[in-house]
Amino acid sequence: GAGVSQSPSNKVTEKGKDVELRCDPISGHTALYWYRQSLGQGLEFLIYFQGNSAPDKSGLPSDRFSAERTGGSVSTLTIQRTQQEDSAVYLCASSPRWTSGGAGNEQFFGPGTRLTVL
Amino acid sequence: GESVGLHLPTLSVQEGDNSIINCAYSNSASDYFIWYKQESGKGPQFIIDIRSNMDKRQGQRVTVLLNKTVKHLSLQIAATQPGDSAVYFCAERANQGGKLIFGQGTELSVKP
Repeated sequence: GAGVSQSPSNKVTEKGKDVELRCDPISGHTALYWYRQSLGQGLEFLIYFQGNSAPDKSGLPSDRFSAERTGGSVSTLTIQRTQQEDSAVYLCASSPRWTSGGAGNEQFFGPGTRLTVL
Repeated sequence: GESVGLHLPTLSVQEGDNSIINCAYSNSASDYFIWYKQESGKGPQFIIDIRSNMDKRQGQRVTVLLNKTVKHLSLQIAATQPGDSAVYFCAERANQGGKLIFGQGTELSVKP
C-alpha cells in the first residue's frame, strides 16, 4: 500500500518568508509525528499528534513553528519568518495507535522535505 | 575559510563480515527501542525493535541486544552486504506517548 508522502520534496525560500510543508500519513494511522534532521545529524522531535488528543508540541523550537492536523489525516507544518538555521530536512512519520502492549509502536517515515533558507 | 561540522561515527567492514553498531541511550525509563536504517536522500526505514523487558531479539540477518544496566543497545548485522551501507540510528521511547529520541547515528560502509 501507499506509504507516508510529503510535499514538496524540496523547498528553497528567502529568509523572512513563511513556508508550509505537507504530510499525508498512511491511511488509518492515528498517530503522526514531525521531526527535523540537520545535515549529518540525528532526528530532532518537533510535534506529535495522536487521534483527537491535544498534540505534544514540546519539541517545537520557537513560536515561529506550528502544525495542524485536519480531519485526523493530513498535517501541515508551518514555519513563519524563516531563518537560515531552519534549513534542514523535515520528516513526517505515522503509526497505528500506540498501546502499552506493544502494538503500533513502529513509526513509518516519509521521504522528507528538504528546506533551504537563503 | 575553514568549515567546522559534525562527523558521524563511521564503521567500515568487508562484505561478508559481521557488523556491530553500538548506541548508548539516555533515559533509564525508556521502555521501547528501535533501530532505523537511512539511505542517502530517503527517510529512515525500520529494521528491528525491542521492548525493555527483553535483552535480545533476532530478525532476518539482524540481532538487537539491550543492556539496561549500562543503557546500551547494539545492532548486529550478519554477513554484511553492500546494500547494508547506510546511516543507522537507534531511537528510544520514554514510557509515555510515542515520541522517539534519536541517537546521532553511525555510518556503515561495506567494502566489496
